[in-house]
Amino acid sequence: DQQVKQNSPSLSVQEGRISILNCDYTNSMFDYFLWYKKYPAEGPTFLISISSIKDKNEDGRFTVFLNKSAKHLSLHIVPSQPGDSAVYFCAASDGTSGSRLTFGEGTQLTVNP
Amino acid sequence: EAGVTQSPTHLIKTRGQQATLRCSPISGHTSVYWYQQALGLGLQFLLWYDEGEERNRGNFPPRFSGRQFPNYSSELNVNALELEDSALYLCASSRGLTQETQYFGPGTRLLVL
Repeated sequence: DQQVKQNSPSLSVQEGRISILNCDYTNSMFDYFLWYKKYPAEGPTFLISISSIKDKNEDGRFTVFLNKSAKHLSLHIVPSQPGDSAVYFCAASDGTSGSRLTFGEGTQLTVNP
Repeated sequence: EAGVTQSPTHLIKTRGQQATLRCSPISGHTSVYWYQQALGLGLQFLLWYDEGEERNRGNFPPRFSGRQFPNYSSELNVNALELEDSALYLCASSRGLTQETQYFGPGTRLLVL
């Protein structure tokens, strides 16, 4: 049972344009959501998070939107840069299950110069 | 401030052997998490340790075990290695509170021959 899904395995955008990565979840107990960036053979790097009491959180070029009714979150990167090319994972946790993170399958973002 | 460190970076074992992986959390973090990323798959939660106790366990067999030491560092032990245990093993740490960000180490690449 895949509780966190990233339906797009890959996304390609031009440098300077907006990248939008999407994530859906099924577990209504999830109350904290995170986005990580990962390069091959490295550990995930934390990007941005959002609590279920908010619907938007912004940090520089990165903005995460949460739509609780649709059980959907998205990460917007504006403007996209070639260095943003990596695999992006969304993750979710709920306080009742001991803070484990449940990850999506990841989306490979390629930003073309 | 030093991040999460893991050792060794690479480990080669043969089927049936035991593997020991080590993790040192960020200073001030009391919780350590272990995740497995098998080739082509997402990150799967293995174990969570906090204040020296195993707090939660993912859907993995008992031959995956570990411990947390008084200095909050942790070991992951995998007994009776099987070929499908070949994966990137990631350690993360946090302050152990709810809605806390987990920060990841670089991982240990385990290859079972």
